[in-house]
Amino acid sequence: AQTVTQSQPEMSVQEAETVTLSCTYDTSENNYYLFWYKQPPSRQMILVIRQEAYKQQNATENRFSVNFQKAAKSFSLKISDSQLGDTAMYFCAFAAYSGAGSYQLTFGKGTKLSVIP
Amino acid sequence: NAGVMQNPRHLVRRRGQEARLRCSPMKGHSHVYWYRQLPEEGLKFMVYLQKENIIDESGMPKERFSAEFPKEGPSILRIQQVVRGDSAAYFCASSPGQGFQPQHFGDGTRLSIL
Repeated sequence: AQTVTQSQPEMSVQEAETVTLSCTYDTSENNYYLFWYKQPPSRQMILVIRQEAYKQQNATENRFSVNFQKAAKSFSLKISDSQLGDTAMYFCAFAAYSGAGSYQLTFGKGTKLSVIP
Repeated sequence: NAGVMQNPRHLVRRRGQEARLRCSPMKGHSHVYWYRQLPEEGLKFMVYLQKENIIDESGMPKERFSAEFPKEGPSILRIQQVVRGDSAAYFCASSPGQGFQPQHFGDGTRLSIL
């Protein structure tokens, strides 16, 4: 079974600064996908960034980038130039073929990020 | 809005009643996942359905919970004889087809049990 661990329940960052959220996972699969989702107070689940395990290059989406270390099973999210709208819960998630026909997502418990003006 | 539509947004039930949560996938999507989010937790997989078929229900509680995705109409997550522990946010996600495809989430239904 896959597990996803986010060791930082809460973090804060000053507006315009950079913050890194950590995530580790455990799997015996070789082909899988990793994601960061953002859940603002409105409770929507918004995909921030995704990474395919077979790609060595780290994914980047505007101010968001990841540091994917496959051997260490680590997948951290870096947010640059933090904005007030980045305040949210951030969930790390993992997907691999389940063997039962699905690519269900396995989520960590989340990191609550507060951006301070 | 062509996104995943869930309704109701908030559902209140008394213990012992039935709860029905509906999910209409994005246009062109025929695969639906249901997840449950307990307070202060991440989302947990419940069930994966294609039109008229349950493909993976390994995350569904063995009793009181059922799901369907009929040929016509939305997917339904049904909880019979609700208990306080069923209070949670229930999210639906859809994807276009087989193999790995990104899942697009609805806004969730918050179920409160009195």
